[in-house]
Amino acid sequence: TQLLEQSPQFLSIQEGENLTVYCNSSSVFSSLQWYRQEPGEGPVLLVTVVTGGEVKKLKRLTFQFGDARKDSSLHITAAQPGDTGLYLCAAHNYGQNFVFGPGTRLSVLP
Amino acid sequence: SQTIHQWPATLVQPVGSPLSLECTVEGTSNPNLYWYRQAAGRGLQLLFYSVGIGQISSEVPQNLSASRPQDRQFILSSKKLLLSDSGFYLCAWSLSTGGFEKLFFGSGTQLSVL
Repeated sequence: TQLLEQSPQFLSIQEGENLTVYCNSSSVFSSLQWYRQEPGEGPVLLVTVVTGGEVKKLKRLTFQFGDARKDSSLHITAAQPGDTGLYLCAAHNYGQNFVFGPGTRLSVLP
Repeated sequence: SQTIHQWPATLVQPVGSPLSLECTVEGTSNPNLYWYRQAAGRGLQLLFYSVGIGQISSEVPQNLSASRPQDRQFILSSKKLLLSDSGFYLCAWSLSTGGFEKLFFGSGTQLSVL
């Protein structure tokens, strides 16, 4: 069974701080996606990474796929209250269903 | 562009009553369609997926069923709801592009069974 772990489970920081959250597995995946979800809403796709070592930036968010394609990180610079939410990673191999991590709940305090 | 519609947004149902949640996708053809359940703002549990009309795969044995009567329509049903069916239900569709898939979600239905 393929499993994804995310850490930390919860994170509460002050506005302006930097943070990194992690998504780890013992399995290799073809691609990995990061989502942000707000209460009562569906997850919104932020980014998809497909190449080992790949780095993608989305404004203040930097996503990295591990060289071995088993793990990923999300770094947020100068966090803002609007970044608050549940961050989910999901991994995928062709012909298989997506595997989701349990999420990191981020709270950015003004 | 593609869009996904899911309704209703919230639903309160008594134990033993039937359930029907509907999801439609626009702007694409022959999508893979999914139903997920999410407990208490945590990870997602895959319930059903479909690769085509009338083709349903169940991931978890339970009190629920799914149907795909049309290419872009996916329905989650139950004949008699249980308390344990309460949760946040999400419909999703996937797009294959460049050799990998992307998964897109609807806005979700919060189901409370009382």
